[in-house]
Amino acid sequence: AQRVTQPEKLLSVFKGAPVELKCNYSYSGSPELFWYVQYSRQRLQLLLRHISRESIKGFTADLNKGETSFHLKKPFAQEEDSAMYYCALKTGANNLFFGTGTRLTVIP
Amino acid sequence: NAGVMQNPRHLVRRRGQEARLRCSPMKGHSHVYWYRQLPEEGLKFMVYLQKENIIDESGMPKERFSAEFPKEGPSILRIQQVVRGDSAAYFCASSPQQGAPTNEKLFFGSGTQLSVL
Repeated sequence: AQRVTQPEKLLSVFKGAPVELKCNYSYSGSPELFWYVQYSRQRLQLLLRHISRESIKGFTADLNKGETSFHLKKPFAQEEDSAMYYCALKTGANNLFFGTGTRLTVIP
Repeated sequence: NAGVMQNPRHLVRRRGQEARLRCSPMKGHSHVYWYRQLPEEGLKFMVYLQKENIIDESGMPKERFSAEFPKEGPSILRIQQVVRGDSAAYFCASSPQQGAPTNEKLFFGSGTQLSVL
């Protein structure tokens, strides 16, 4: 069965410090992984996809199949990065399977 | 484009009543997904619909829950005879009609918070 694990419910870092939000997955098929973000009073929105290998708002995430991880990283956190972050795994044609989320707080 | 619209924003029901949650997808989107977020848990897939068709309902509870996406009008998630355990945030998302799966993006609504007394 598929599983997405985000071990940290809460994460606080100081502004300018590096940040890493952990995500581990379990899936028998070929994984497609995503990070979604929900800022305060806003809708859940896509942040980035592993297949795009893109950097969005300074965030990157590399799929490590050996460790079954897709950690989200940013070298220098900004206050506006404070939000709820969800890792998601695409299973089958239609389904995104979400983790429980990590609330990131960037301390000024 | 107003985005994915869900209403009501908050819905309070007593045990045994029916709850109807509405979702209007983004303009031009004909794929609708419903997710449920129980307290302290992540979003969980419930059902995927296209116009007039249920494509995947593998995440729907076997009883009391149903969903539709008619030719005209919003998608409806209906919960009959609600129980306290149905209290959750229900999110709808829509995606474009065409698009390779690897490029698929889901656009989420703001959700409906259902509280069962």
